[in-house]
Amino acid sequence: GQSLEQPSEVTAVEGAIVQINCTYQTSGFYGLSWYQQHDGGAPTFLSYNALDGLEETGRFSSFLSRSDSYGYLLLQELQMKDSASYFCAVRDYSSASKIIFGSGTRLSIRP
Amino acid sequence: KAGVTQTPRYLIKTRGQQVTLSCSPISGHRSVSWYQQTPGQGLQFLFEYFSETQRNKGNFPGRFSGRQFSNSRSEMNVSTLELGDSALYLCASSLEGLATDTQYFGPGTRLTVL
Repeated sequence: GQSLEQPSEVTAVEGAIVQINCTYQTSGFYGLSWYQQHDGGAPTFLSYNALDGLEETGRFSSFLSRSDSYGYLLLQELQMKDSASYFCAVRDYSSASKIIFGSGTRLSIRP
Repeated sequence: KAGVTQTPRYLIKTRGQQVTLSCSPISGHRSVSWYQQTPGQGLQFLFEYFSETQRNKGNFPGRFSGRQFSNSRSEMNVSTLELGDSALYLCASSLEGLATDTQYFGPGTRLTVL
């Protein structure tokens, strides 16, 4: 079946860099998206990788390698407000274009 | 431009009842997707609508249904509620529902089934 695997929790220090990985098992998808969700809030879009390689948006970067079935979200210069859950997601065209989300990674930032 | 709105924000029902949740997408967006979010299962895809047609459906029982109106507003219905249906129900809208389209999420409806 189709699935996206993420670490359940990650802890990092304010000002540091953290990488959140997403490995997937699906025979075909259009691209990899990342969303951020603060406690009690709605998910908000962070980035989208249609092609292999690195996409940079300010302090956040996202990477995709289709050959390795792997992607990651890189957060730099961490701030306390970055404490949130992060989800990777794909639209899987091998299953009628269903949208599949990873289980989410809870990022905790320490001062 | 106003964001995605969902009503009601909170709902308490008892087992066996039915419930209808509403979602108004961003103006101009024609695709609406629904998700169930629970602490143990993360975000689970329910269904997606585009131009009043269900485009695809997740792995949920037939008790879960939805529809979309000509103004792109969408509703989802859950009949014969079970305790396990307690969750945050999120809807998201996008322009055309393409893979490259950004999905914008509403604040969600928190459903509690007693």
